[in-house]
Parts: sequence; structure tokens; C-alpha cells
Amino acid sequence: DQQVKQNSPSLSVQEGRISILNCDYTNSMFDYFLWYKKYPAEGPTFLISISSIKDKNEDGRFTVFLNKSAKHLSLHIVPSQPGDSAVYFCAASVRWGNNRLAFGKGNQVVVIP
Amino acid sequence: DAGVTQSPTHLIKTRGQQVTLRCSPISGHKSVSWYQQVLGQGPQFIFQYYEKEERGRGNFPDRFSARQFPNYSSELNVNALLLGDSALYLCASSFGTGAMNTEAFFGQGTRLTVV
Repeated sequence: DQQVKQNSPSLSVQEGRISILNCDYTNSMFDYFLWYKKYPAEGPTFLISISSIKDKNEDGRFTVFLNKSAKHLSLHIVPSQPGDSAVYFCAASVRWGNNRLAFGKGNQVVVIP
Repeated sequence: DAGVTQSPTHLIKTRGQQVTLRCSPISGHKSVSWYQQVLGQGPQFIFQYYEKEERGRGNFPDRFSARQFPNYSSELNVNALLLGDSALYLCASSFGTGAMNTEAFFGQGTRLTVV
């Protein structure tokens, strides 16, 4: 049972433009959401997180938006840079539980110079 | 500051064999979790350990076991290996759990190939 879903497996975007990645979840107990970036042959690298008490969190070029009623979150990267080319994973957890992370399948992002 | 370190980075085993993977968390982190990532999928939770106690277990068979040592390092053991166990095994460390939790930071993973 896939509790975290990432559709549109791949995304190509021109350098300097905005990349938008979407993520949906089904478990209403999730209260903490994270985005990770992964290069080949490396482990996932933490990018940004958001607690369910917020609807937006910003860190430099990365902004995550959370819509709890729709059980939907998105990651905006602006401006996109060639180094952003990677697989992006959305993850969710119940922070007051054992904080196991449930991951989506990932989105491949290619930034075209 | 050293990040999460895992060993070995690559491993080839034969069906039926046993394997032990190792993980050292970030200094000061007391929680270690293990994940399995097969090609084309996101990481799947296997175990979480905090203060040497198992705090969570994913939907994996009893062939998978783990432990955490007093220095907070951890081992993942897989017995009677199957071809389907071929995957990238990821270790993640975080400061605590529940209210004390922080973001999980991952190691580079161990690529296990079962032939």
C-alpha cells in the first residue's frame, strides 16, 4: 500500500526556470514531511522539511507547500540549476511515533543548461 | 564533521548466504534506521533503533535482523539471501525519536547483489 505517491516520474526544465514537484499522501496521521535529493551511487540528501502546523517553508531556492485538507505537498525550486538534476523523493512520517519515513517512488529532474 | 558511514559500499553474495551490513551514525545521533531501496522504488523502512532498543519494524521477513551497539553504531543482518534481496541498503541517523526527533540523514548505502 503506497502511502506516499509521486506521479509524473520525470521532469525536464530549462535552467533558470521553476521546477515543481508534487506529492500526495493517504495516511492522515502523517504530521512531518520531507524532501530528499538523490544522485546516482549516493544516499539521499535532506533538502527541506515541513511540519503539519505550517503550510509553507522556505530555504533559499527551495520552498515546500503543504495542503493538509488535500493531503498534498509540493516542492518548488527556483531558479533551477544544472546541479539540481537528480531524483527527488517525498517522504512522510508520524513524528510523535517511531518516525519511520514512508517514501514516494521519486521524480527524476533534468535541468537543461 | 563525519556524516553517516556505511560499510561495505558494494557486496556480492550467493543465494542462501548470510550478510552483515554496518553503519556508524553522525556523532551525537542516537537513532539509526535501515531502509531497502530496490531499483525504481523509494526506500522502504526495515528497522529503527533508538538507545539500543528496536523502536519500529517494517514489513520484512524474520530473515532480516538488526542491532545497535552502545556507541550507537548498528548492524543489519540478512540470512538465507534471496535474489530479491538485491538492493541498495541505506542507513539513516537522527538525533532522537518522537518529540526529540530531527531530520534523518542518510549514508551512501551498501549495494548488495545476490547471485
